[in-house]
Amino acid sequence: GDSVTQMEGPVTLSEEAFLTINCTYTATGYPSLFWYVQYPGEGLQLLLKATKADDKGSNKGFEATYRKETTSFHLEKGSVQVSDSAVYFCALTGYSTLTFGKGTMLLVSP
Amino acid sequence: SQTIHQWPATLVQPVGSPLSLECTVEGTSNPNLYWYRQAAGRGLQLLFYSVGIGQISSEVPQNLSASRPQDRQFILSSKKLLLSDSGFYLCAWRAQGSSNQPQHFGDGTRLSIL
Repeated sequence: GDSVTQMEGPVTLSEEAFLTINCTYTATGYPSLFWYVQYPGEGLQLLLKATKADDKGSNKGFEATYRKETTSFHLEKGSVQVSDSAVYFCALTGYSTLTFGKGTMLLVSP
Repeated sequence: SQTIHQWPATLVQPVGSPLSLECTVEGTSNPNLYWYRQAAGRGLQLLFYSVGIGQISSEVPQNLSASRPQDRQFILSSKKLLLSDSGFYLCAWRAQGSSNQPQHFGDGTRLSIL
């Protein structure tokens, strides 16, 4: 079945550091890929998406490129802020449901 | 625009009591609806999903149940809560027939069982 693997957290960075959160997937067919963000005590918000190979999703300075050859969708940001501290989930579509990774906590210190 | 509402935001219940959590969606018709649970410090577990009124798919066996009495209303219930039912419950929707589109989440209900 479909699966998503994310790097274990927490990821601890200083403000203005470069961020990479790795995500790889296993799926049949050609799924769409998503990154969601969950701030403390809140629901999940869609951060960005990519619907086909080589698409780049971007939002709020975050980017991720759909790499079919490496089955990856790594999340990057050039300069993180304290306000980016949250849990990040990688996900892919199935016919009716989403398959989520386990989430990666990001902690950014001033 | 579409919006999703969950209530209550927080709930404290004794073991053995019943449960009813409600979720409603506005601004769309015939959505797919989903209930997830998130235990503390852990990932998301899909509990139920529905592609139409009265149609419920259960992903895991448990003492919870779900119902969809109206097109845009999704209810999560239990007759007798267990300690292990504690967690953060999230409702989500997705447009029908759009398998490459994301799900959109509500703000969640934090359930504590005493």
